[in-house]
Amino acid sequence: AQSVSQHNHHVILSEAASLELGCNYSYGGTVNLFWYVQYPGQHLQLLLKYFSGDPLVKGIKGFEAEFIKSKFSFNLRKPSVQWSDTAEYFCAVNLGGNNRLAFGKGNQVVVIP
Amino acid sequence: DGGITQSPKYLFRKEGQNVTLSCEQNLNHDAMYWYRQDPGQGLRLIYYSQIVNDFQKGDIAEGYSVSREKKESFPLTVTSAQKNPTAFYLCASSSWDRGYAYNSPLHFGNGTRLTVT
Repeated sequence: AQSVSQHNHHVILSEAASLELGCNYSYGGTVNLFWYVQYPGQHLQLLLKYFSGDPLVKGIKGFEAEFIKSKFSFNLRKPSVQWSDTAEYFCAVNLGGNNRLAFGKGNQVVVIP
Repeated sequence: DGGITQSPKYLFRKEGQNVTLSCEQNLNHDAMYWYRQDPGQGLRLIYYSQIVNDFQKGDIAEGYSVSREKKESFPLTVTSAQKNPTAFYLCASSSWDRGYAYNSPLHFGNGTRLTVT
């Protein structure tokens, strides 16, 4: 079965610091990759996605993620975080042609003003 | 505005009782999903449905049941057989594009927090 690993469940950083959240998956075939974000009191929403093409994907609010096939990774980055980036971030993976989405355990990110 | 409506937001039940969580969408999406979210566990798939009158078990289907009689609705019943029913339940939907449901992102509802005592 495919699995998705996210490390460092709790991340605390100051405004303007850089953020990188790791995501690794365990499947050797074609995958579609996603990052979802859940702001406090809000529903989950899509941050960015990768299906094919340029492995560096730009998302909303200045986030980006890089797909490195050889490392089975899809790490999320933001060069300079803001207080409003405080949220829980989930990496998700599905196999190409499969409609089951597997989620990681999430990263709780707190940005201190 | 199109979206997914889950009701109620909070639900309390006594142990041994079945309870049904509602999920309605007006996005005209073919696929619908139920996830369970527990602290530090991420989201785990309970059941999903690609079309009306058809659904499949997810990773943690034991103790749950669903129906999909209408495209807009995908209710989840938490039965007394579910050993740890207290959790936050999320419903989601997506459109079915060229046979790849995940070409479109999942749209999530606001969730139902179920507490069983």
